[in-house]
Amino acid sequence: DAGVIQSPRHEVTEMGQEVTLRCKPISGHNSLFWYRQTMMRGLELLIYFNNNVPIDDSGMPEDRFSAKMPNASFSTLKIQPSEPRDSAVYFCASSLGSHRLMNTEAFFGQGTRLTVV
Amino acid sequence: LAKTTQPVSMDSYEGQEVNITCSHNNIATNDYITWYQQFPSQGPRFIIQGYKTKVTNEVASLFIPADRKSSTLSLPRVSLSDTAVYYCLGTGGGNKLTFGTGTQLKVEL
Repeated sequence: DAGVIQSPRHEVTEMGQEVTLRCKPISGHNSLFWYRQTMMRGLELLIYFNNNVPIDDSGMPEDRFSAKMPNASFSTLKIQPSEPRDSAVYFCASSLGSHRLMNTEAFFGQGTRLTVV
Repeated sequence: LAKTTQPVSMDSYEGQEVNITCSHNNIATNDYITWYQQFPSQGPRFIIQGYKTKVTNEVASLFIPADRKSSTLSLPRVSLSDTAVYYCLGTGGGNKLTFGTGTQLKVEL
């Protein structure tokens, strides 16, 4: 397997524009996570899905952020409208996990570096 | 989920053993202790996980005392390529992975 695949790797956009980040998890994994990383705030969990269902979105900063997982092999994180303070590296990760399993290893993608000007 | 505390940074030299300790006083009975490593411009990578006592793999060892209120990641004979941020997580039911601030390890010649 090629691992978790994120696209694009880099995105530069103007303030107010819509941004869509994409993630393809590892085949067979049923948990998917979206993280945001900045120098100031570190690695923040935004949302995670289990079996395509959003389980916890308490980390989503505000209504401008939304995430979907229409099927087991694809997820998107959308920011509309984008603002300069959204500039960060966004990581997607996947794992074999469920509510009942104690813990499983999460595999991270290479990240999308977003710059909003 | 367990709140974890670990040193902000550590320095070492090549060939030395490095021990990074993490405290997790309120770890739950069903929480495992998991360590991840992150290099610049990359996503975190799983290193090792344990519940109690000692776990060893090809990369590191993890020591967890009986009370499980702390854990120590041991990296034998570090090299320059081990320079990275190391995160300690308490993870349990619900599969929610919450990262703290991590420990920046710098290895020098």
